[in-house]
Amino acid sequence: QMQLQESGPGRVKPSETLSLTCTVSGASIRNYYCNWIRQPAGKGPEWIGRIYTSGSTNYNPSLKSRATMSVDTSKNQFSLKLSSVTAADTAIYYCAKARDCTNVACYYDSWGQGTLVTVSS
Amino acid sequence: EIVMTQSPATLSLPQGERATLSCRASHSVNINLAWYQKRPGQPHRLLMYDATTRATDIPARFSGSGSGTEFTLTISGLQSEDFAVYYCQQYNQWPSTFGQGTKVEIK
Repeated sequence: QMQLQESGPGRVKPSETLSLTCTVSGASIRNYYCNWIRQPAGKGPEWIGRIYTSGSTNYNPSLKSRATMSVDTSKNQFSLKLSSVTAADTAIYYCAKARDCTNVACYYDSWGQGTLVTVSS
Repeated sequence: EIVMTQSPATLSLPQGERATLSCRASHSVNINLAWYQKRPGQPHRLLMYDATTRATDIPARFSGSGSGTEFTLTISGLQSEDFAVYYCQQYNQWPSTFGQGTKVEIK
């Protein structure tokens, strides 16, 4: 059974870049869409973006081009960078693997536990 | 983007009762809707996809219905492990969007 685990700093200063990695075990991420989703306190989840193992990416336009995702299939990992962070980026960040997708979006059958990232000086 | 609205925000029921959770989309999402369960300390669990299809190993007491803009998740006979937060998600239109969640708590 595939397991995902997020890792990265729990605190990032305003205007800096948030960097997270998702390490996958139990199965290969090859040929899957790998996603990042976040959830601010008291709000519903927000899809950030996805990366296919070929390297092609799609991002939520709400992030105004601040997000960059990458994948390393040799390490079975994928990563997120979010630049110019503000307090509004404080959230629990989840990585998730898509089970299936329509031609525009996916749903997810494997999630990480999530990691809290706080943007604060 | 499509706004997903879940109701109620909190549902208080005794064990063994039927729970009915609603999810409304601001525009039609056809049947491209998923439901997830989130328990404290556990990863999100996919319950339903394509509005009515149970995911792998999901018990039959979970059922989904609806299409277009109105959807329902029904839990027939709440078990102790079912007290959790439930989210709906549409994947019909980009970007995918989630509801705010319904917390099912023990009464």
